[in-house]
Amino acid sequence: QSVLTQPPSASGTPGQRVTISCSGSTSNIGRNTVNWYQQVPGTAPKLLIYSDDQRPSGVPDRFSGSKSGTSASLAISGLQSEDEADYYCAAWDNSLNGYVFGTGTQVTVL
Amino acid sequence: QVQLQQWGAGVLKPSETLSLTCAVYGGSLSGYNWIWIRQSPGKGLEWIAEIIHSGSTNYNPSLKSRVTMSLDTSKKQFSLKLNSVTAADTAVYYCARVVSGGYSDSGIYRSRRAFDIWGQGTMVTVSS
Repeated sequence: QSVLTQPPSASGTPGQRVTISCSGSTSNIGRNTVNWYQQVPGTAPKLLIYSDDQRPSGVPDRFSGSKSGTSASLAISGLQSEDEADYYCAAWDNSLNGYVFGTGTQVTVL
Repeated sequence: QVQLQQWGAGVLKPSETLSLTCAVYGGSLSGYNWIWIRQSPGKGLEWIAEIIHSGSTNYNPSLKSRVTMSLDTSKKQFSLKLNSVTAADTAVYYCARVVSGGYSDSGIYRSRRAFDIWGQGTMVTVSS
């Protein structure tokens, strides 16, 4: 069950900036760090952003994360065709004592 | 470079037991938690179970009565069993490594956990 709310879709032309929101609550995003995962259809998710705003080695710096209160955002600057994928946010939830995921956002490059 | 390789039966009948195994190559089990996550067709991600290197487990409350996760340190493998499966358990199942920690922020402990390495996924279909 998805507890974090994301818009179902987002799109942009190559070079544009796209932002994806992730809305949660005080027991998850408001309390713990947020991670973002990128999933190209047919493949396993890949860690894109961890600890709210940190990029793993190898992730391009056009991907950035931020958080404020009980919401988080993922921004893709300089959108490229290979960025077409599904994006999920996730966090630890203290009330559930487990992990919660976002509903997912499909990014389309026009 | 750490890699996870998973395997298990891909087709089950209702009431049977799902059994999956994930092997860790190029790294150690120690110092990390390990997790199973599933994704139903066309749907989002759902956490199933997590195990820490000591063997303690944490299960999703919605699945807890049917799930068992275990660790075999000698083989560097961890496994998932889900009994009494139904069509609702049809999904792609992923194993992953959890990098966990936390920090204190003005007296509040904040959990910092991320799934940094994933297995390739196993499609499990439950059908009579």
